[in-house]
Amino acid sequence: QKEVEQNSGPLSVPEGAIASLNCTYSDRVSQSFFWYRQYSGKSPELIMSIYSNGDKEDGRFTAQLNKASQYVSLLIRDSQPSDSATYLCAVRGGGGNEKLTFGTGTRLTIIP
Amino acid sequence: DGGITQSPKYLFRKEGQNVTLSCEQNLNHDAMYWYRQDPGQGLRLIYYSQIVNDFQKGDIAEGYSVSREKKESFPLTVTSAQKNPTAFYLCASSKGALEETQYFGPGTRLLVL
Repeated sequence: QKEVEQNSGPLSVPEGAIASLNCTYSDRVSQSFFWYRQYSGKSPELIMSIYSNGDKEDGRFTAQLNKASQYVSLLIRDSQPSDSATYLCAVRGGGGNEKLTFGTGTRLTIIP
Repeated sequence: DGGITQSPKYLFRKEGQNVTLSCEQNLNHDAMYWYRQDPGQGLRLIYYSQIVNDFQKGDIAEGYSVSREKKESFPLTVTSAQKNPTAFYLCASSKGALEETQYFGPGTRLLVL
């Protein structure tokens, strides 16, 4: 079982709609969760971090964390063509294993 | 203008050659990291350093070496022992130790001739 799993996509969403990206993780003691956006040929850039159960909103982005279900998601409201990218979920372990583990990413395409 | 720089942007390696990738940061971050990204795979940790003159192996350290002689610099050498070096190499840094948020440099794409 992969430590961090994401749907590879591609995920296509019409412009203006909500894009929903999902991520599950296997380490129950994981402490911190991150969403990075990566444009083709570029390096990842941080969008959101979340540490506690519930929702965290930043502009058009909302991260949702459910530690009991070992699930973290990213919602993008009012999707724009510039949101087309690969989104990487990263999870920091706990219990002495604080390295960051990345999922393989979900490729998102916003259709004008 | 603070940030992380990596050079070169593209690097070509000949068979049996060692090559060194540069990573410099002026963010005054203590920790630095090297990741490798292959198509269809997540980022994999090669080496990391939490303090000057100290570094630890990540998940795929074989065939690579690093040094951390200065806080600002964390060069990665891809040795001839690394049989499949073609990948996108990403350097990252974080303010403190592993629990801090990591920020990435622009990356170096290594190709084998």
